[in-house]
Amino acid sequence: QQQVKQSPQSLIVQKGGISIINCAYENTAFDYFPWYQQFPGKGPALLIAIRPDVSEKKEGRFTISFNKSAKQFSLHIMDSQPGDSATYFCAASWKTSGSRLTFGEGTQLTVNP
Amino acid sequence: DGGITQSPKYLFRKEGQNVTLSCEQNLNHDAMYWYRQDPGQGLRLIYYSQIVNDFQKGDIAEGYSVSREKKESFPLTVTSAQKNPTAFYLCASSIVGVRGVRKLFFGSGTQLSVL
Repeated sequence: QQQVKQSPQSLIVQKGGISIINCAYENTAFDYFPWYQQFPGKGPALLIAIRPDVSEKKEGRFTISFNKSAKQFSLHIMDSQPGDSATYFCAASWKTSGSRLTFGEGTQLTVNP
Repeated sequence: DGGITQSPKYLFRKEGQNVTLSCEQNLNHDAMYWYRQDPGQGLRLIYYSQIVNDFQKGDIAEGYSVSREKKESFPLTVTSAQKNPTAFYLCASSIVGVRGVRKLFFGSGTQLSVL
């Protein structure tokens, strides 16, 4: 049962543009929403994360927007660079699950120079 | 140099054969995980262990087995019962950080293919 749905599956953006990846969840017990970045042949690495008590979190060029009522959250990459080309995964977990994460399907981002 | 080491990087399985994927961590983390990655399906949890000598099934445990005899090691065996084993396998460990941040640290993965 897929509890976190991610879109789009792939995304192509020009250098300097804004990349937007969306996720929707079903389980209202989720209380932690991280994004992971994965380069080819490597394991994912934590990029940024948010809790549902805030609507937005920004770290450098990366911003998470969170809409609790709609059960949706999104990753915005401002001024996208070719080095941002990677696969991005949203995820979610609930307090009693420890660090057990439920991942979205992933989005392959390509930033053209 | 702390981190998670997975070996081998590439592994080939013959029909009816069991194969074991190695995962070692020197981060002193209590919890360890095995995920399977298939194109377009994200990461799916196979097994996880929150403490030595204890582990739980994840969402897709059928055809897999694990052991956790040492804190540093969490090997995964892909048995002959797993009929579609071709995938990228990722091992991870975790801490609970400041303000309850739950962060997974991943290894570089093992690509398993069927001959």
